[in-house]
Amino acid sequence: SAVISQKPSRDICQRGTSLTIQCQVDSQVTMMFWYRQQPGQSLTLIATANQGSEATYESGFVIDKFPISRPNLTFSTLTVSNMSPEDSSIYLCSVEEGPNQPQHFGDGTRLSIL
Amino acid sequence: KQEVTQIPAALSVPEGENLVLNCSFTDSAIYNLQWFRQDPGKGLTSLLLIQSSQREQTSGRLNASLDKSSGRSTLYIAASQPGDSATYLCAVLFSGSARQLTFGSGTQLTVLP
Repeated sequence: SAVISQKPSRDICQRGTSLTIQCQVDSQVTMMFWYRQQPGQSLTLIATANQGSEATYESGFVIDKFPISRPNLTFSTLTVSNMSPEDSSIYLCSVEEGPNQPQHFGDGTRLSIL
Repeated sequence: KQEVTQIPAALSVPEGENLVLNCSFTDSAIYNLQWFRQDPGKGLTSLLLIQSSQREQTSGRLNASLDKSSGRSTLYIAASQPGDSATYLCAVLFSGSARQLTFGSGTQLTVLP
């Protein structure tokens, strides 16, 4: 199965700043997704990262707050912009290698905003 | 609305017990269902994937079943060990979705030595 590397693993940031999270996969994958897991909660999909075009965002998430890039089939970034304490969460990248294949997740980025 | 529910939210058992975790979903039109494990502060580890045409999948001490018509799945863990302590998440890929998973809220399992 695909090996997913996510960086940074954790960070503590100041209110109002932005942080870019990277997700690198060791093979080309069709689908890449970004999820958020708020403290004590399950996972919520932020967006689907589309190669070569704009990401598809879920209800409640907007491009200005969570810009996403996907320049190729092995790499994506998620930026959390103008951060506030409410953005303190674990952010996870996942990939699907193809239809009928399981989705696999990176180890996540634990983000704390002061 | 397509939803996934997991019961119980937390479970504590003595080492060696067999146990069952439950997952229910509101729409029987699914592509597949996946069980994950999450250790505290970590990402998700995929345990088992059941396609919509399958009834069960097994991996070691884990067995997952799927009853699509009733909208239910169970994860059976045999001879539990303290190392099994984690949160177990059920996720469904509903038909008509753009390949994104819908997650349950998880069952936090503690296996006592």
